[in-house]
Amino acid sequence: GEDVEQSLFLSVREGDSSVINCTYTDSSSTYLYWYKQEPGAGLQLLTYIFSNMDMKQDQRLTVLLNKKDKHLSLRIADTQTGDSAIYFCAESINQAGTALIFGKGTTLSVSS
Amino acid sequence: GAVVSQHPSWVICKSGTSVKIECRSLDFQATTMFWYRQFPKQSLMLMATSNEGSKATYEQGVEKDKFLINHASLTLSTLTVTSAHPEDSSFYICSALALGLASSYEQYFGPGTRLTVT
Repeated sequence: GEDVEQSLFLSVREGDSSVINCTYTDSSSTYLYWYKQEPGAGLQLLTYIFSNMDMKQDQRLTVLLNKKDKHLSLRIADTQTGDSAIYFCAESINQAGTALIFGKGTTLSVSS
Repeated sequence: GAVVSQHPSWVICKSGTSVKIECRSLDFQATTMFWYRQFPKQSLMLMATSNEGSKATYEQGVEKDKFLINHASLTLSTLTVTSAHPEDSSFYICSALALGLASSYEQYFGPGTRLTVT
């Protein structure tokens, strides 16, 4: 079945760049998403990329998609302590992009 | 932006009782809402898709008689955990579907409800 894999932890220093990686299995995914979850809170949609795109940039966030390798990454430039959270990668498994499969999340820890 | 609220944010109940969790889209209408369950340090698992005016669609392995879903209006879906047991203790998160930019659908998530069954 469909599966989304992420590394569990990432630790960086404030001001450095963070790169969170994700691999997925469903080659027919139309959309791939990155969500942020702060402690005790719900998920906040950070950004998403359509499957026919290679890259998307939104302020400090850069998403890279390698469709051949089914690899997605999220780069956060100039990481701040407020970026500390769990980041979930998700792939859509239907055309409308409404049915999502989530990874287990990567905990990003930013030290000052 | 699209805001989704959940109520309550935290509930403790005794084993055998029922608990109702509300999910509301505050500034938009949502014909489709989703209910997820999240265990500690785990990912979100989709439980069911809630469609306004029709029966919910449950994922495999989710008991529809135990997790009752009602989507009576375009801004409200409720999840009732019936005869709750300690193993039902979890973080329940809802999301509502909205049409985003570039005609793509986006899911907006509520803040979650932590259920503890004693």
